[in-house]
Amino acid sequence: EPEVTQTPSHQVTQMGQEVILRCVPISNHLYFYWYRQILGQKVEFLVSFYNNEISEKSEIFDDQFSVERPDGSNFTLKIRSTKLEDSAMYFCASSEGFRPKLFFGSGTQLSVL
Amino acid sequence: SQKIEQNSEALNIQEGKTATLTCNYTNYSPAYLQWYRQDPGRGPVFLLLIRENEKEKRKERLKVTFDTTLKQSLFHITASQPADSATYLCALDGSSNTGKLIFGQGTTLQVKP
Repeated sequence: EPEVTQTPSHQVTQMGQEVILRCVPISNHLYFYWYRQILGQKVEFLVSFYNNEISEKSEIFDDQFSVERPDGSNFTLKIRSTKLEDSAMYFCASSEGFRPKLFFGSGTQLSVL
Repeated sequence: SQKIEQNSEALNIQEGKTATLTCNYTNYSPAYLQWYRQDPGRGPVFLLLIRENEKEKRKERLKVTFDTTLKQSLFHITASQPADSATYLCALDGSSNTGKLIFGQGTTLQVKP
């Protein structure tokens, strides 16, 4: 079965550093998302992306965050200057349309020290 | 603001029994509701979707009901097995055309042999 793949599985960085989280969505999907989950808390929406532009973003997704689809297969989340509170599991997801089910990757555990 | 509540943080049942999980929401009228399974350290996995005009949906041992008057969904697992032990997440559509989902905090199910 096709799956969403994310790399790396773990990322440790120093506060203030830039990180890029990478995702390869399912090939025929058109909608892409980033969610995050702080340990013990809810899965939270960050951003949705369609047709090479952001379709919606949450309050969490401030100017320090950006997304990009640099080619036909990758989808990235960049955090420009990481803060301690950015430590979380970041999930990439994709879907065929905006209504049906989302397929999630296994996540990247980001630890900001 | 929109709020989703899932019943109790943990549910312990005996193998073979039916597990019933509850999802309540307020200040919202979702077009559809989804249930996901999440295992520790993994991304959510889609289980079932039910639309606002549907009362009940079944898939193998799973059944979901959706009562838009009570603003509640019930998720049942019949003939439960230890392999069903996981956290189950309720999710509502957060907007009409971007695919954003709003997740509940989840209910952890433990099925004892």
